[in-house]
Amino acid sequence: GENVEQHPSTLSVQEGDSAVIKCTYSDSASNYFPWYKQELGKRPQLIIDIRSNVGEKKDQRIAVTLNKTAKHFSLHITETQPEDSAVYFCAQSGSNYKLTFGKGTLLTVNP
Amino acid sequence: SQTIHQWPATLVQPVGSPLSLECTVEGTSNPNLYWYRQAAGRGLQLLFYSVGIGQISSEVPQNLSASRPQDRQFILSSKKLLLSDSGFYLCAWSAGVGTYQETQYFGPGTRLLVL
Repeated sequence: GENVEQHPSTLSVQEGDSAVIKCTYSDSASNYFPWYKQELGKRPQLIIDIRSNVGEKKDQRIAVTLNKTAKHFSLHITETQPEDSAVYFCAQSGSNYKLTFGKGTLLTVNP
Repeated sequence: SQTIHQWPATLVQPVGSPLSLECTVEGTSNPNLYWYRQAAGRGLQLLFYSVGIGQISSEVPQNLSASRPQDRQFILSSKKLLLSDSGFYLCAWSAGVGTYQETQYFGPGTRLLVL
C-alpha cells in the first residue's frame, strides 16, 4: 500500500536561515506530490505541489524538488520568517484521487 | 470561486450520544469529497471519500458513517460516540473532472470533544 515517510518530525531554525523537509514514498505509480502548511488550530493550506513530469518547482521563497528514481521529494524554504512557523505535511497521490499524508514536521522559526 | 463550509465549528458531546457533521461546497459541480480526522498533534487520517451522490468509500472501520445526499453535501455521522472519536474533523474537496482531481482543499474543520 501507499506509505509516506516524512523527516524530520521537528525542525528549529533561526530567522533568515533555510529549512528543508524530506519525504520518501512507496507507490512508484504516484505522480502528484503536494505540500500543506497547517498553523495552530487552522486548516491545512496547500502551499505548493509538483507533478512527476517536472523535477523542481519554485514559488518565491518556497521550492519543491522531486526525484522519482529514488522516490523522494523535498520542501525547501529560504529566508525563513517567524510566520513560516507551522506544521508542514507532504503527501502523495494514490488510487481514486486519494492522498496519503506524511506525519508532519513542526517547523519553528526563532526570531 | 470555490468555497467549502463546515459546521459546527466546535462541538462538545457526551459519550454515547449521536453525531452529525456537515460539509458543503460552493462554486463547483460533482466534486470529490473527503472526510479526515486529525487527533491532537497528529497527522491526517482519511475516513471516507466520495466521487458522487450516494457513493461512499470507507477507509477505516469504526463507528462512524458518511453520506452524500446531494452533489455538494457530505455528512459524517455516528450513532454512539466514543471517547476516541475526539479530534479535529476536516472535510476536503477536489475537482471531479479534469486534470487536477488530486488537488484537495480543506474546509475550516470541526473540533469535536467527547466527554
